[in-house]
Amino acid sequence: EDQVTQSPEALRLQEGESSSLNCSYTVSGLRGLFWYRQDPGKGPEFLFTLYSAGEEKEKERLKATLTKKESFLHITAPKPEDSATYLCAVQAQETSGSRLTFGEGTQLTVNP
Amino acid sequence: KAGVTQTPRYLIKTRGQQVTLSCSPISGHRSVSWYQQTPGQGLQFLFEYFSETQRNKGNFPGRFSGRQFSNSRSEMNVSTLELGDSALYLCASSFTGDGNTIYFGEGSWLTVV
Repeated sequence: EDQVTQSPEALRLQEGESSSLNCSYTVSGLRGLFWYRQDPGKGPEFLFTLYSAGEEKEKERLKATLTKKESFLHITAPKPEDSATYLCAVQAQETSGSRLTFGEGTQLTVNP
Repeated sequence: KAGVTQTPRYLIKTRGQQVTLSCSPISGHRSVSWYQQTPGQGLQFLFEYFSETQRNKGNFPGRFSGRQFSNSRSEMNVSTLELGDSALYLCASSFTGDGNTIYFGEGSWLTVV
């Protein structure tokens, strides 16, 4: 059974204080690892998809990396508008289609 | 480019009733998936439709069902509503699903009283 564990559950940062969110996963064969951002009362907003160990992707203050067992979402010099819940999900090779298994998320708060 | 559109956004139903939620995927996308999000269980996969056929199914009771039309629009239905069905129901679409980017709609908030 595919499993995704995110840590920490909640993270409070000061504006400009860089940090990382962790996503550990267990899957029989990884087709893709997805990162989403979710604001309260809204649907998840797509950030990145990573497909193989060693891959990195960047977008503004966010950088996602992938190893064979975990992924990190690095946030550099965060701003209050980066406050949101960040969700990690995996898609298994053995399952055709778009089925995703999600972690519980990390709730990030950035204080001005 | 229009995103994934879900209707209605908010609804309140009484226990025992049934509800139908609608989803219009991004133009050209043929895969539509449904998820249930609750504070205690997080995001859980309900089912996926591709070319009008159910391709994947999660671990939900038979009260939860869905369908997809020839224009890729999808509906999900929950019959005999229970209080525990109160949740945010999210629809997601992608071209084919296999490794493609998956986009979510804003969701339908269902409250069962």
